[in-house]
Amino acid sequence: GAVVSQHPSWVICKSGTSVKIECRSLDFQATTMFWYRQFPKQSLMLMATSNEGSKATYEQGVEKDKFLINHASLTLSTLTVTSAHPEDSSFYICSATLGGWDNEQFFGPGTRLTVL
Amino acid sequence: SQQGEEDPQALSIQEGENATMNCSYKTSINNLQWYRQNSGRGLVHLILIRSNEREKHSGRLRVTLDTSKKSSSLLITASRAADTASYFCATDGSDQAGTALIFGKGTTLSVSS
Repeated sequence: GAVVSQHPSWVICKSGTSVKIECRSLDFQATTMFWYRQFPKQSLMLMATSNEGSKATYEQGVEKDKFLINHASLTLSTLTVTSAHPEDSSFYICSATLGGWDNEQFFGPGTRLTVL
Repeated sequence: SQQGEEDPQALSIQEGENATMNCSYKTSINNLQWYRQNSGRGLVHLILIRSNEREKHSGRLRVTLDTSKKSSSLLITASRAADTASYFCATDGSDQAGTALIFGKGTTLSVSS
């Protein structure tokens, strides 16, 4: 089956630093990847849609200058949290789709970010 | 933005009992999916039901979809302690393929032995 990996699985950083999270589709090419954020005891909230070779589309309220998304290839999308602050501490999850009408999406295992 | 609500928000049952979770959504959909998430972990895809389907089964799972009421239900029969997790429904738009999923708020299920 289609597998999506994320790296790192968890990261702790100091306030003001930047953190890069990678999302890879291991055995398929994903034209579109999605980034979600999940705060404790809450649901997943879509942050942005990432298409290979083009600029990401951000959801309302998500700062594009703070959450930089790069989708350089059909198997890799990266999310960089710039100048991280404690309120950015969250669980970040990516997903990738093969496309198609069923829109089946394959989720990565998530990255736990803690900003001190 | 959230697509809809799950009901109940939390559910506590004994092993062997059935658990029913409901999901309502707001817009037309192409399909509806149910996911499970263990605490602090990633999502596990459970089942996908298309908008032209009314019921689907997978093992101990039974999902129904009522597009006229914009609602779905997930039934877990003969629950086990290992079923303890959060359950989310997710939908996508009906007019576009390859769109993001919109998740409901989730139901936290606790199964005690």
